[in-house]
Amino acid sequence: GAVVSQHPSRVICKSGTSVKIECRSLDFQATTMFWYRQFPKQSLMLMATSNEGSKATYEQGVEKDKFLINHASLTLSTLTVTSAHPEDSSFYICSAPRGQGWEQYFGPGTRLTVT
Amino acid sequence: LAKTTQPISMDSYEGQEVNITCSHNNIATNDYITWYQQFPSQGPRFIIQGYKTKVTNEVASLFIPADRKSSTLSLPRVSLSDTAVYYCLVGQTGANNLFFGTGTRLTVIP
Repeated sequence: GAVVSQHPSRVICKSGTSVKIECRSLDFQATTMFWYRQFPKQSLMLMATSNEGSKATYEQGVEKDKFLINHASLTLSTLTVTSAHPEDSSFYICSAPRGQGWEQYFGPGTRLTVT
Repeated sequence: LAKTTQPISMDSYEGQEVNITCSHNNIATNDYITWYQQFPSQGPRFIIQGYKTKVTNEVASLFIPADRKSSTLSLPRVSLSDTAVYYCLVGQTGANNLFFGTGTRLTVIP
């Protein structure tokens, strides 16, 4: 079946540094990918829509200059958290749609801890 | 995007059938109903999707009444490994957003 991978699975960085998270669709092409953030015991919050060949679309309240998204190819989207701060510590998940309706394939998530 | 309402949590004993109902009163004609399962520190996993009536696969059944204003996810004979959060989503093909509600935290008790 379709698989979406994320790398790294876990990252710890110091405050003020930048971190890049990769999301790959392994056996299908995805012109659109979605990025979510999930805090402990909370639901997933959509951050942005990554579009291959065009700019990402950000949800209200998400800083596009802080969360840089690049959809480099039909199988790769990257999220870069720039100048990370402790409040950016969270679980970041990507997804890609396939098929009809809302059938999304989610990556395993990336746990970001900013110290 | 139609808003969904689910119970926050449910408990069930092993071996029981569990039914989780989701309300989506504002569902649109072209909307599908999709359920996802999420374990701690993992991405959500697709369970089942339907448009109307009943859909069954190897892990669950989805019951959708004629008015489509609600849906029920049925998990037969749950085990401890079914302890997870279950999300109901309603939306259309090709829409560029995907919003998760609170989900239902199912705890299976031995």
